[in-house]
Amino acid sequence: QQQVKQSPQSLIVQKGGISIINCAYENTAFDYFPWYQQFPGKGPALLIAIRPDVSEKKEGRFTISFNKSAKQFSLHIMDSQPGDSATYFCAARKEGSSNTGKLIFGQGTTLQVKP
Amino acid sequence: SQTIHQWPATLVQPVGSPLSLECTVEGTSNPNLYWYRQAAGRGLQLLFYSVGIGQISSEVPQNLSASRPQDRQFILSSKKLLLSDSGFYLCAWSVPLGQIGWSSYEQYFGPGTRLTVT
Repeated sequence: QQQVKQSPQSLIVQKGGISIINCAYENTAFDYFPWYQQFPGKGPALLIAIRPDVSEKKEGRFTISFNKSAKQFSLHIMDSQPGDSATYFCAARKEGSSNTGKLIFGQGTTLQVKP
Repeated sequence: SQTIHQWPATLVQPVGSPLSLECTVEGTSNPNLYWYRQAAGRGLQLLFYSVGIGQISSEVPQNLSASRPQDRQFILSSKKLLLSDSGFYLCAWSVPLGQIGWSSYEQYFGPGTRLTVT
């Protein structure tokens, strides 16, 4: 119940296309869902995040879609660029864990955007 | 603004040798601190977290230990390294308890330490 399942494991998209990465969870106590972007040899960087009181959040070319009833959320990268090639992690945080701030991460998706 | 530092950036150590990795955070007080390990091509495994000086919680039984001697310093240690300890070690911080709003949920990662045990 504490897991976050991420798919696909890897993704190849043509430049200008839409990249879609999906995550699913079981624990309805999760109340915060961030996405991280990690380039090789670097630490993950917070990309965008959503809370379950909204169904969509957009920041530039990056959009999170959230389906509370299905317990799923996804990252959409519009107009994908070669510079977006990286590993993407979804995560979830359990409500009431504000004193620890612990996140549960998905296994990651390696995105390659071909020029 | 807040920054997080980790050192060393890379480390090659023989099996059985000790380990000490350091993480420091600047620009905030009483942060929550975290140590993660990332095996090659794998996800992020939370190893330890700390909500204050001297307060350490372990997530996974292992060959490693953590300490927080100062408010913004987090150290990962081992007395004897194993081959399986190789990986990319990441320190992270989040806003301390009592903060409200989105900022209290965000977790920020350091640049990482690449450890190779030979």
